[in-house]
Amino acid sequence: EAEVAQSPRYKITEKSQAVAFWCDPISGHATLYWYRQILGQGPELLVQFQDESVVDDSQLPKDRFSAERLKGVDSTLKIQPAELGDSAMYLCASSLDGPLVYGYTFGSGTRLTVV
Amino acid sequence: QKEVEQDPGPLSVPEGAIVSLNCTYSNSAFQYFMWYRQYSRKGPELLMYTYSSGNKEDGRFTAQVDKSSKYISLFIRDSQPSDSATYLCAMKIQGAQKLVFGQGTRLTINP
Repeated sequence: EAEVAQSPRYKITEKSQAVAFWCDPISGHATLYWYRQILGQGPELLVQFQDESVVDDSQLPKDRFSAERLKGVDSTLKIQPAELGDSAMYLCASSLDGPLVYGYTFGSGTRLTVV
Repeated sequence: QKEVEQDPGPLSVPEGAIVSLNCTYSNSAFQYFMWYRQYSRKGPELLMYTYSSGNKEDGRFTAQVDKSSKYISLFIRDSQPSDSATYLCAMKIQGAQKLVFGQGTRLTINP
């Protein structure tokens, strides 16, 4: 069964350091999403890509977060500098293009701890 | 007030019990409703989806949507210890791809 690949699975970083997460969506999926899930809460959308273009980044803290999907395939989410409040699970998901009538496929996530 | 409200639990029931999980929402534009299951340290996996109002059944799972009350439910019959997980409701409006999630309910089925 096709999966969304994410790495690393776990990351511990010190406050004010830079950190990056990588996502490889299911082959052929044009739409890619980055969600953040704080412990005990539901996922919240950070950024949505359609191919290499950003469709929605309204909830992305742009002063410290950046995301790219240069060739419209895999994607990188970066935080610089990291803050204590960034500790969370960062989830990547992907879906086919076109009307979405059902949910999309999530990866296993990257659990970030900022110390 | 959040667009989607879900009781975080935790909810603990004995094996074999019927479990009822619920979400309420405020945005009447939501048309698609989903339930995700999330095991510890894993990403959410899609369990069921429904469009508009009505019921949908899949094995031991039944999803219900009552748009007039802005209320959705997931029922689990003959619950098993392997059903122990966090259950997230999610919904979206027509034509959009962004999902809005509830907080998640942590469920434990005791053998």
